[in-house]
Amino acid sequence: GAGVSQSPSNKVTEKGKDVELRCDPISGHTALYWYRQRLGQGLEFLIYFQGNSAPDKSGLPSDRFSAERTGESVSTLTIQRTQQEDSAVYLCASSPTLVSTDTQYFGPGTRLTVL
Amino acid sequence: DQQVKQNSPSLSVQEGRISILNCDYTNSMFDYFLWYKKYPAEGPTFLISISSIKDKNEDGRFTVFLNKSAKHLSLHIVPSQPGDSAVYFCAAMGTSYGKLTFGQGTILTVHP
Repeated sequence: GAGVSQSPSNKVTEKGKDVELRCDPISGHTALYWYRQRLGQGLEFLIYFQGNSAPDKSGLPSDRFSAERTGESVSTLTIQRTQQEDSAVYLCASSPTLVSTDTQYFGPGTRLTVL
Repeated sequence: DQQVKQNSPSLSVQEGRISILNCDYTNSMFDYFLWYKKYPAEGPTFLISISSIKDKNEDGRFTVFLNKSAKHLSLHIVPSQPGDSAVYFCAAMGTSYGKLTFGQGTILTVHP
């Protein structure tokens, strides 16, 4: 079946502009996660959804970052007033449930470059 | 505060030999550990995992070892193949469901 898809694959924007990143999880997966990977670093957890609820938003770097999810489907990560330090690959993952032994399946990521 | 560390940025191994990738963690609340493999322009893919109640888990050519007292885990690949060349990430999960904490990654190159 189809895996996790993300769009756009690449996004170049100017400092101060807003961007919206999209994630389509695997059908039927109730849990959805956002991570980001800055150059030369590991993946950094941002937020997760159980259904359309986000119980823990503490991983979001600042109040310029927000995320929402429609039902148990598409999620969007919005970054307002982008800064150069926001440049990174933003990765989305989904899993059947939140149980730790459920594998998180990752999408290919969106590479965001803020000029 | 790097709770999961992979201190070797890269590793080069000859085809057919053993690859050993290492990972250290500091948070004693972590109880589930995973290794992910990542090719360029792709998302990470799950490789193997281990629960803190075990000290070894094996899947084909891949074996993960966990030393809880040392807060150390390692991934052994035997025999190594050129197709194993990728970035390998160690990750850990604790009581915060869903939140994976990743190391910085190790670039493995397997030479024919």
